[in-house]
Amino acid sequence: ETGVTQSPTHLIKTRGQQVTLRCSSQSGHNTVSWYQQALGQGPQFIFQYYREEENGRGNFPPRFSGLQFPNYSSELNVNALELDDSALYLCASSLVTSGGGELFFGEGSRLTVL
Amino acid sequence: AQSVTQPDIHITVSEGASLELRCNYSYGATPYLFWYVQSPGQGLQLLLKYFSGDTLVQGIKGFEAEFKRSQSSFNLRKPSVHWSDAAEYFCAVVLYGGATNKLIFGTGTLLAVQP
Repeated sequence: ETGVTQSPTHLIKTRGQQVTLRCSSQSGHNTVSWYQQALGQGPQFIFQYYREEENGRGNFPPRFSGLQFPNYSSELNVNALELDDSALYLCASSLVTSGGGELFFGEGSRLTVL
Repeated sequence: AQSVTQPDIHITVSEGASLELRCNYSYGATPYLFWYVQSPGQGLQLLLKYFSGDTLVQGIKGFEAEFKRSQSSFNLRKPSVHWSDAAEYFCAVVLYGGATNKLIFGTGTLLAVQP
């Protein structure tokens, strides 16, 4: 089975721009979560998607938005980029939406905002 | 609010020595607890998890962790460290009975292994 894949692996943007990050779930997984990992920090939960709808959100502003597609792949969109958005963005997929189901993480997309 | 504390930011051990990484959580309910490892340029890999039952949990790569409710701790151990264990280790907790799989992570412990 294929694991979680993310693209692009690295990208550089300037403040005020918009970015889209992509994630393909592990085969058979129907739930996708996104995390932001700033340098020297643990990952922070952004949101979770199930059946193409957001079903949980962390403490992130509305300019962070997402999509989940019928094949369970997902996108993370960030508008009006700020310098503090520079981070590693991790996508994780799972079989269940809650109950501590194991998350399988991709290798991340490293975003640098100049 | 739920939180996870990893008191040690950086630890260095000699190859073959034993290892213990500390994790304390603040939680008002029964937690689900996890340890993940992150190698440079890699995503997070699950080492082990505790949901209920036996408080000593075995994981992959020879790691184990012990859940101590009285101390709100979930420390990770390995009897003999290998050079390939050098990585960053994250403890995490998830809300039992919550609507999502939202993991709350600690800030991580960076492990260096000396030859």
